[in-house]
Amino acid sequence: QQQVKQSPQSLIVQKGGISIINCAYENTAFDYFPWYQQFPGKGPALLIAIRPDVSEKKEGRFTISFNKSAKQFSLHIMDSQPGDSATYFCAAKTGRRALTFGSGTRLQVQP
Amino acid sequence: NAGVTQTPKFQVLKTGQSMTLQCAQDMNHNSMYWYRQDPGMGLRLIYYSASEGTTDKGEVPNGYNVSRLNKREFSLRLESAAPSQTSVYFCASSDAVGAYNQPQHFGDGTRLSIL
Repeated sequence: QQQVKQSPQSLIVQKGGISIINCAYENTAFDYFPWYQQFPGKGPALLIAIRPDVSEKKEGRFTISFNKSAKQFSLHIMDSQPGDSATYFCAAKTGRRALTFGSGTRLQVQP
Repeated sequence: NAGVTQTPKFQVLKTGQSMTLQCAQDMNHNSMYWYRQDPGMGLRLIYYSASEGTTDKGEVPNGYNVSRLNKREFSLRLESAAPSQTSVYFCASSDAVGAYNQPQHFGDGTRLSIL
């Protein structure tokens, strides 16, 4: 039962371009939406996170856009670099419960 | 900084064999988690421990057992391994379950193949 639906499954972007990954959810009780980044052979690591009372959060080249009415949130990577090539997971949680993760997006940034 | 350490890193088992995956964290975190990662499925929660002495089922607990040995260690046991349990297993820890801005710190995974 996939409570957080993530798309696309894979993404190829040219160096300097914008990478956009989307997630949608159904549970309106979700109150925290993080994005995790995973490099091959490593565990995921927190990249950036947002709460539903904020529509956008920016940290360097990474931005989360949040649309509460549409129940969607997205990760934008500006000026994408080959070093950004990784798998990205969106996630969500409600209350004092563990995170529910999306299915992941494999991003390749071509030089 | 060791963070979250998982052992072993790789393991091949035969169907029906048992084994225990070990996990230890040195960040004094209260909560620990076990996930499995399969292609196209993301990370699915198997079990978690909100604090020492407590464990709870996650999304896919069938076929697994866990033990929170102490605050540092959280083990995952497969009593009778099945090919469907072939996966990459990740252990994670955090200061508290569900706390805002308390990231989960992950180990580098155990790659388990069951023949």
